[in-house]
Amino acid sequence: GNSVTQMEGPVTLSEEAFLTINCTYTATGYPSLFWYVQYPGEGLQLLLKATKADDKGSNKGFEATYRKETTSFHLEKGSVQVSDSAVYFCALQGGTSYGKLTFGQGTILTVHP
Amino acid sequence: GAVVSQHPSRVICKSGTSVKIECRSLDFQATTMFWYRQFPKQSLMLMATSNEGSKATYEQGVEKDKFLINHASLTLSTLTVASAHPEDSSFYICSAPTGQGSYNEQFFGPGTRLTVL
Repeated sequence: GNSVTQMEGPVTLSEEAFLTINCTYTATGYPSLFWYVQYPGEGLQLLLKATKADDKGSNKGFEATYRKETTSFHLEKGSVQVSDSAVYFCALQGGTSYGKLTFGQGTILTVHP
Repeated sequence: GAVVSQHPSRVICKSGTSVKIECRSLDFQATTMFWYRQFPKQSLMLMATSNEGSKATYEQGVEKDKFLINHASLTLSTLTVASAHPEDSSFYICSAPTGQGSYNEQFFGPGTRLTVL
């Protein structure tokens, strides 16, 4: 079955530091890959996505590239801000399972001024 | 983007009572909705797929008689936790895809925190 393995946290960074959160997956077929963000007290929001190999998703300074050869979708940001403090979830959606998302375990990110 | 609401946002109840949680798609129709459970500092676990006009599909290990799902209309799905016990305390989240096909985007509700005393 599908699975997502995400870098364990928590991750604590200073403002303007470089961020990488690793994500690898196992899936049949050609899944779509997502990063969701959950800010304190709020619901999940889609941060970015990629639907095929070598696609790069980007939003709000975050980027992730769909690497089929390494089955990875690592999240990166060049300069984090305090407002980026949140929980980040990597997820995949299998091509044959309508709408069904498989989530990684989540990574708590805390950014200090 | 599309909006999904949940009600209530927080509920505290005594052990043995039943609790109903509503999930609504506010500006789009959803023939399918998903219900997740999130434990503190852990990932989301898919509980069931709610299908408008037919029975819900439950994931392995989820008790159908404990977590009753009804997809009453194209904009409303309800999750009823029957005879809730403290171990049912959790954060329940629903989501709905906005269209057909494998690459449709899902929108998530803000979640409902259930505390069973």
